[in-house]
Amino acid sequence: QKEVEQNSGPLSVPEGAIASLNCTYSDRGSQSFFWYRQYSGKSPELIMFIYSNGDKEDGRFTAQLNKASQYVSLLIRDSQPSDSATYLCAVKGNKLVFGAGTILRVKS
Amino acid sequence: GAVVSQHPSWVICKSGTSVKIECRSLDFQATTMFWYRQFPKQSLMLMATSNEGSKATYEQGVEKDKFLINHASLTLSTLTVTSAHPEDSSFYICSASSLGPDQPQHFGDGTRLSIL
Repeated sequence: QKEVEQNSGPLSVPEGAIASLNCTYSDRGSQSFFWYRQYSGKSPELIMFIYSNGDKEDGRFTAQLNKASQYVSLLIRDSQPSDSATYLCAVKGNKLVFGAGTILRVKS
Repeated sequence: GAVVSQHPSWVICKSGTSVKIECRSLDFQATTMFWYRQFPKQSLMLMATSNEGSKATYEQGVEKDKFLINHASLTLSTLTVTSAHPEDSSFYICSASSLGPDQPQHFGDGTRLSIL
């Protein structure tokens, strides 16, 4: 079992829709959870982090964490074509572990 | 805030050349810096972790004599690819974080290395 699992996608959503990206992790001792966005040919960019169970909202982005289920998600409201990228889930216990990423395509 | 500068952004050189890549944290003290490699359409692969003033910790399978890492100050880490060969061609990305277990990693823009 991979330490951090993400569906590779691609996840295709129409412009204006909600994109839902999911991530599961295996280390129950993980304390910090991050979402990065990576455009093709570019380095990852931090977009959200969450430490506590529940929801955290920042603009069009909402991160959701459920430690009991070892599940973290990212919702993107009003998706735009510029949101098309690979989204990396990263989980930190003793070290930061990245998932392989989910490709998101927002169609105009 | 939390800007990480990486230089150069693109290097093309001949086989056998050594290449140095610099990673600087511009507006925070980076107690820990990380070096990743990413091949096309693949995920990030952590190569090594370095703490200021200490020897780098390399991931399994990464040759420490091939990839020399120096983290001499709280704002600068360097990666030197020694005697580079075409199979070393990749996208190298550094990241940095400040002290604290919850601190996120902030990434530099990456260096695209092509060995001819």
